[in-house]
Amino acid sequence: ETGVTQSPTHLIKTRGQQVTLRCSSQSGHNTVSWYQQALGQGPQFIFQYYREEENGRGNFPPRFSGLQFPNYSSELNVNALELDDSALYLCASSEPGGPGETQYFGPGTRLLVL
Amino acid sequence: AQSVAQPEDQVNVAEGNPLTVKCTYSVSGNPYLFWYVQYPNRGLQFLLKYITGDNLVKGSYGFEAEFNKSQTSFHLKKPSALVSDSALYFCAVSPDQTGANNLFFGTGTRLTVIP
Repeated sequence: ETGVTQSPTHLIKTRGQQVTLRCSSQSGHNTVSWYQQALGQGPQFIFQYYREEENGRGNFPPRFSGLQFPNYSSELNVNALELDDSALYLCASSEPGGPGETQYFGPGTRLLVL
Repeated sequence: AQSVAQPEDQVNVAEGNPLTVKCTYSVSGNPYLFWYVQYPNRGLQFLLKYITGDNLVKGSYGFEAEFNKSQTSFHLKKPSALVSDSALYFCAVSPDQTGANNLFFGTGTRLTVIP
């Protein structure tokens, strides 16, 4: 069974640029969630995709957007990068089934905005 | 509103001693509670969860957690700590709702097991 994978592992951008992060879900999982983990903090929910549709969103501005593809992989796009966007971005996949389903996390992409 | 509190930023325990990492929660409706562990420069690794049923939940690597509804707590425990248990531990709650099953995380507790 293949786990959740993310690319790239590290990324450096400058303020105002755009970035795309990628995630491949665990085999058999069709739900993907994205989280932002700032240094010294717990992860914060950005949004979730189920069957290629956004299924819920946290308190993040519209410049954070996403996609899910037919193979259930996903992208997180962030436009107009700000210094505070520097964080570890985590992708998690799960089976559909509601709040009791376990989310399995990838290793994350560490983004540094200069 | 839902939230999780981990009152201790840091927990130190001697190898071989029992360990407890504390978590309290606030959620509307039935709580779904999770514990994850994070090693340096790694993602989150699932340890265990409480959905319903027995208040004592057993998970990976000898960890267990006790759900206490009256105290709204879900403390993580292990009878005998290992040096390799040293890591950052997160408690999370998922509210019983339709739509996204997003997780609300605490701020984490750093566990150090002293040889």
